Amino acid sequence: DSGVTQTPKHLITATGQRVTLRCSPRSGDLSVYWYQQSLDQGLQFLIQYYNGEERAKGNILERFSAQQFPDLHSELNLSSLELGDSALYFCASSSPRTETTYEQYFGPGTRLTVT
Amino acid sequence: GNSVTQMEGPVTLSEEAFLTINCTYTATGYPSLFWYVQYPGEGLQLLLKATKADDKGSNKGFEATYRKETTSFHLEKGSVQVSDSAVYFCALSDHTGANSKLTFGKGITLSVRP
Repeated sequence: DSGVTQTPKHLITATGQRVTLRCSPRSGDLSVYWYQQSLDQGLQFLIQYYNGEERAKGNILERFSAQQFPDLHSELNLSSLELGDSALYFCASSSPRTETTYEQYFGPGTRLTVT
Repeated sequence: GNSVTQMEGPVTLSEEAFLTINCTYTATGYPSLFWYVQYPGEGLQLLLKATKADDKGSNKGFEATYRKETTSFHLEKGSVQVSDSAVYFCALSDHTGANSKLTFGKGITLSVRP
């Protein structure tokens, strides 16, 4: 158990809908990262937050957005969903202690299926 | 940009066989290198890491050495077990400014037969 929690574990929804994925980082970790894992694209970085502020963006679609709240949990919002958004979405966290070695600890993921 | 290349899979081995999974990278500067493992139905677990050239990361019998001259970080284990069956990802973080995102290889599936 990495200490990173994600909810829900599974999500099935229809095209055009909007969903919210939730992540709670390890106790004491300030950074939260979101990754998408799909069969064709592999594991891709989406976005990073550090202590409530956006720090870096990767290949995140404009239909997707994220935020990190004062209690450091994070939410990833996916809207106008398309079939191609079906994937595993992982959250990871790291702390200032591990910032120098850049270790990230991953949650169990949310499997999103768009029908 | 940064990239990680892993050997093509899948790999099937008999128990107690020797394992090598190749990984090479392209990055600016001096990245940190990682191997992550994903067991069926689970998230990614950090297996081992190395943060500078010639460092050797090791954990659970797995080893990998950071080779700057060949830009490689090959994963090895002397004697695999059935419980090592999983997907293995090589990854790097290039320490660029405030962005410490991980760049992953495509992953390779290892199956170990009893």
